[in-house]
Amino acid sequence: RKEVEQDPGPFNVPEGATVAFNCTYSNSASQSFFWYRQDCRKEPKLLMSVYSSGNEDGRFTAQLNRASQYISLLIRDSKLSDSATYLCAVNLVGNTGKLIFGQGTTLQVKP
Amino acid sequence: DGGITQSPKYLFRKEGQNVTLSCEQNLNHDAMYWYRQDPGQGLRLIYYSQIVNDFQKGDIAEGYSVSREKKESFPLTVTSAQKNPTAFYLCASSIFGRGLMNTEAFFGQGTRLTVV
Repeated sequence: RKEVEQDPGPFNVPEGATVAFNCTYSNSASQSFFWYRQDCRKEPKLLMSVYSSGNEDGRFTAQLNRASQYISLLIRDSKLSDSATYLCAVNLVGNTGKLIFGQGTTLQVKP
Repeated sequence: DGGITQSPKYLFRKEGQNVTLSCEQNLNHDAMYWYRQDPGQGLRLIYYSQIVNDFQKGDIAEGYSVSREKKESFPLTVTSAQKNPTAFYLCASSIFGRGLMNTEAFFGQGTRLTVV
């Protein structure tokens, strides 16, 4: 089993739709969780950190479910500009500093 | 401006040659990472370092080597032992201190290595 897993998609949605991605992690001692956005042939950029209580930034909502060991990203009112690959990242086993990424989920928003 | 710089952006090398990719940060971050990305794939961890003069192997360290002689610098050498070195290489850094949780990682713009 991979340490961090995502459904690669692609997710094809119309503008204005709500779409959700999940990311599962295998190590229950993981402490830090992040969502990144990566555009084609570019470096990943931080979208959101994921906090235990959940957090929201405009149209984006991130949640953590420790019991089931997954994080989620919800995008409301999708825009064409949201088309990208979304990567989750997990800091494994507390203080070791090992930061592992999922393979990414591709989102394509259609007019 | 603070940031993380990778050079060069594009690199071509002949098969069998070692090549070193540069990564420099002026963010005063303790932790630095090297990832490899193949087309349509996620990021795979090659090496990471939490502190100067210390580094650990990631999931795909074979055929690679690193050094961390200075806090600001974490060069990656792709050796001739790496069977399929053509890929997009990404360097990242984050604030980290022993006993503390990682903060988010920031990336350089990446180096596209092509071995012919």
